[in-house]
Amino acid sequence: ETGVTQTPRHLVMGMTNKKSLKCEQHLGHNAMYWYKQSAKKPLELMFVYNFKEQTENNSVPSRFSPECPNSSHLFLHLHTLQPEDSALYLCASSQELGQGADTGELFFGEGSRLTVL
Amino acid sequence: AQSVTQPDIHITVSEGASLELRCNYSYGATPYLFWYVQSPGQGLQLLLKYFSGDTLVQGIKGFEAEFKRSQSSFNLRKPSVHWSDAAEYFCAVGGRGSYIPTFGRGTSLIVHP
Repeated sequence: ETGVTQTPRHLVMGMTNKKSLKCEQHLGHNAMYWYKQSAKKPLELMFVYNFKEQTENNSVPSRFSPECPNSSHLFLHLHTLQPEDSALYLCASSQELGQGADTGELFFGEGSRLTVL
Repeated sequence: AQSVTQPDIHITVSEGASLELRCNYSYGATPYLFWYVQSPGQGLQLLLKYFSGDTLVQGIKGFEAEFKRSQSSFNLRKPSVHWSDAAEYFCAVGGRGSYIPTFGRGTSLIVHP
């Protein structure tokens, strides 16, 4: 496999469920990102990890809990979500933040479409 | 703080017509500029990027963009649009080092037959 892979592609969950989104990258990158994309809204940066350390939490509600066990994997744990959390969740990676090698070019997965009932 | 403005929310063109999507940025240093395309239900795919050198950059799918420092612009162009180009287009600005790229709100391209 190459690139950035997200699973599942589609998820429907109730407000009391607990689920997780998974992202895996095979690009040898060290920075990974979660974005939220809602209809008719700009792309929202949620979390950023660099070498497994969280460097950015963009005031995301605690019902979203990220986990980055290594530079290749990123999870988004979901619990007690609200209907307004329904969106496309995009994972992305880049070489590494804070170093000259990183140019800001992001490589995106195809997204996980989440529907909260 | 860096920012990106895509002034057009929607653009409608006829198939075969030329296309220009506008992007203006604000950045304190030498910018790295990107255009991404997103087909419905998909992730974002890089079309082209500008880091330095020639201000006219070529990308995939016949797209090109021109960096104009004096106008803080990085407009995307295509001489002849195909129906398969209908998608959402995002401009982004970043920089070397620790800067997380900033995205514009996107422009939705509609192509009429």
